[in-house]
Amino acid sequence: DIVLTQSPLSLPVTPGEPASISCRSSQSLLQSNGKTCLHWYLQRPGQSPQLMIYLASNRASGVPDRISGSGSGTDFTLKITRVEAEDVGIYYCMQVLQTPFTFGGGTKVEIK
Amino acid sequence: QVQLVQSGAEVKKPGTSVKVSCRASGYTFTDYYMHWVRQAPGQGLEWMGRIYVKSGGTDYAQKFQGRVTMTRDTSISTAYMELTNLRSDDTAVYFCARGGERLGDYWGQGPLVTVSS
Repeated sequence: DIVLTQSPLSLPVTPGEPASISCRSSQSLLQSNGKTCLHWYLQRPGQSPQLMIYLASNRASGVPDRISGSGSGTDFTLKITRVEAEDVGIYYCMQVLQTPFTFGGGTKVEIK
Repeated sequence: QVQLVQSGAEVKKPGTSVKVSCRASGYTFTDYYMHWVRQAPGQGLEWMGRIYVKSGGTDYAQKFQGRVTMTRDTSISTAYMELTNLRSDDTAVYFCARGGERLGDYWGQGPLVTVSS
């Protein structure tokens, strides 16, 4: 199975400041068709997860442009240019290259 | 608008089974996969498997092979996940999520299944 390792586990942030989350895969997530099979989700407290970024760098519908995804191969990053209160929650990366699909362990973003 | 509405919370005894439903609306049900993801209390997300709604074909995580069955009824746009031989560590919230290139663009509300004697 593909293992995804996220860091940090916890990320206290000051509103208006940037934040960055890393997700590393045990093998390349590049598909033969050129797509990179890595998604990012945010789970706010008490809610279902929400798709934020799909295929490594594409913003899902309604996601503000201060949130972005980048990376290729085995190293991926989710960045928030200026953190707002609505960004609080647990961020998960997920690989969809091969079954079983797997999630990273999660990064908890909280306001300082 | 797209919605996934799941059945309600359940309390089950060890050794029994649970069947969770996920009713879809607002899109063509047969055009997408349906995935099932669970989350134990205070823990992360775990992918259980998926069903290709059009054909009924399934992929299950090895961990659940032999205990999980995913089905669908296209006449009522509803997907089901049944887990048998329940144990206490199956206590979790069980989500359905629409599949496709943007896997998880829509999620159900996720009922809590509690396994307790």
